[in-house]
Amino acid sequence: AQSVTQPDIHITVSEGASLELRCNYSYGATPYLFWYVQSPGQGLQLLLKYFSGDTLVQGIKGFEAEFKRSQSSFNLRKPSVHWSDAAEYFCAVGAYFGNEKLTFGTGTRLTIIP
Amino acid sequence: DVKVTQSSRYLVKRTGEKVFLECVQDMDHENMFWYRQDPGLGLRLIYFSYDVKMKEKGDIPEGYSVSREKKERFSLILESASTNQTSMYLCASRPGTGGNQPQHFGDGTRLSIL
Repeated sequence: AQSVTQPDIHITVSEGASLELRCNYSYGATPYLFWYVQSPGQGLQLLLKYFSGDTLVQGIKGFEAEFKRSQSSFNLRKPSVHWSDAAEYFCAVGAYFGNEKLTFGTGTRLTIIP
Repeated sequence: DVKVTQSSRYLVKRTGEKVFLECVQDMDHENMFWYRQDPGLGLRLIYFSYDVKMKEKGDIPEGYSVSREKKERFSLILESASTNQTSMYLCASRPGTGGNQPQHFGDGTRLSIL
C-alpha cells in the first residue's frame, strides 16, 4: 500500500522569500504524484502532477516540484512567495496500475508574513 | 474546466438524523469519490464509485453509505448521524482511464452534528 509523509505541519515564510515544502512517499512501483493547494474554506486545487519523464515539473502559480526516486521525495518549491500563497498544501500519491485511489499526506499549512 | 458542485457549503444536523450530501460533476467522469477532512489527518477516503451503481469502500466507510444512480451524481449518506461525523466532506471526480488523471474537487461541505 502507498503512503505519503509531509513532515512539516506548519511553515512560516516572509513574503518574497523562497519556499520548499517536503513530501516523501512510499510505493513499490512507479508512482503518480500530485500537489494540491487548499485555500481557507475551499476545495482542493491541483498545482502540478508527475507521471514520468522529466523529473522537474512546472505547475500553476509559479510552483515547481522535483521527483527524486532515490530519496522517494517530491518536494514543492517556489522561488518567491506572495501573500496569496498562504494556504494548506497536500501531497498525494496514486498507484500505477488500475487502482483509482489517491493517498494524501496530512498537509502543510503555509503562513506568509509581510 | 471541470466543475464539481457540492449542494451545501454548510450544514447543521442533529444526532440520529439521516443526512444526505450531494455532489454533481459536469465532465462525464466515470470515477467519483467522497473524502472527509479533519485537522492533522489530511483527507481520508470514505467511498468511491467507478461507474453507475458501482461502489467500493475506502479507508473509513463505517457509518456511511453512498448512492450513484446517474453518472453525474454521487451522494453520501449518513444513516444515523453522530457527533464524531462532524467534519469537512469533499467530493471529487476524475476520468476512468489511467491512474495519471488528477482528481477534481468540489468546494466541500462543512457538516456539524449537534
